[in-house]
Amino acid sequence: AQKVTQAQTEISVVEKEDVTLDCVYETRDTTYYLFWYKQPPSGELVFLIRRNSFDEQNEISGRYSWNFQKSTSSFNFTITASQVVDSAVYFCALTELGGFKTIFGAGTRLFVKA
Amino acid sequence: DAGITQSPRHKVTETGTPVTLRCHQTENHRYMYWYRQDPGHGLRLIHYSYGVKDTDKGEVSDGYSVSRSKTEDFLLTLESATSSQTSVYFCAISDPRGGIAESTDTQYFGPGTRLTVL
Repeated sequence: AQKVTQAQTEISVVEKEDVTLDCVYETRDTTYYLFWYKQPPSGELVFLIRRNSFDEQNEISGRYSWNFQKSTSSFNFTITASQVVDSAVYFCALTELGGFKTIFGAGTRLFVKA
Repeated sequence: DAGITQSPRHKVTETGTPVTLRCHQTENHRYMYWYRQDPGHGLRLIHYSYGVKDTDKGEVSDGYSVSRSKTEDFLLTLESATSSQTSVYFCAISDPRGGIAESTDTQYFGPGTRLTVL
């Protein structure tokens, strides 16, 4: 069965600090997709990144970077030089190939203080 | 941004009344989903659709039904609302990139509907 664990319920940092959000997943499939979504205080869900299980290359997009390690079943998300606008709930999610069901973690609420 | 709208955006209703939420998309995406979001649970799949009149249950489908008579619309119905169905409901859409083996793709979400059952 699929499972996604985001052990950090809430994180609070001061602006300009780096912060890493952890995501650990479980799946029996060898082919799967991992996602990160952002939910700002306004409530919408914003897609950030999609990674398939065959692509372990880390990705950087501006201040955001993602570290995918199959050996530890982790897909962690780092924000460098955090800003107040990064304050949101972040969700990690997993979908198995051919599956229509995406499993979401419980989310990590990030507070960035000025 | 994907063209997805949900209506109503907010609704307050009483226990025992029927409620229908609508999701409308302009992207002609084949797959549509209904999720509920509750504190501590992330998002949980209620029902999904992989084509017109083709639907299936998710992990929390009890008390909910869905219908899809057109590609662009996916309706979620609470036949007799209960207080445990107070939640924020999100619709999502996706489209496969290839054949059936590539049916997994990124889901894009609507703005959500906040439902309160008193």
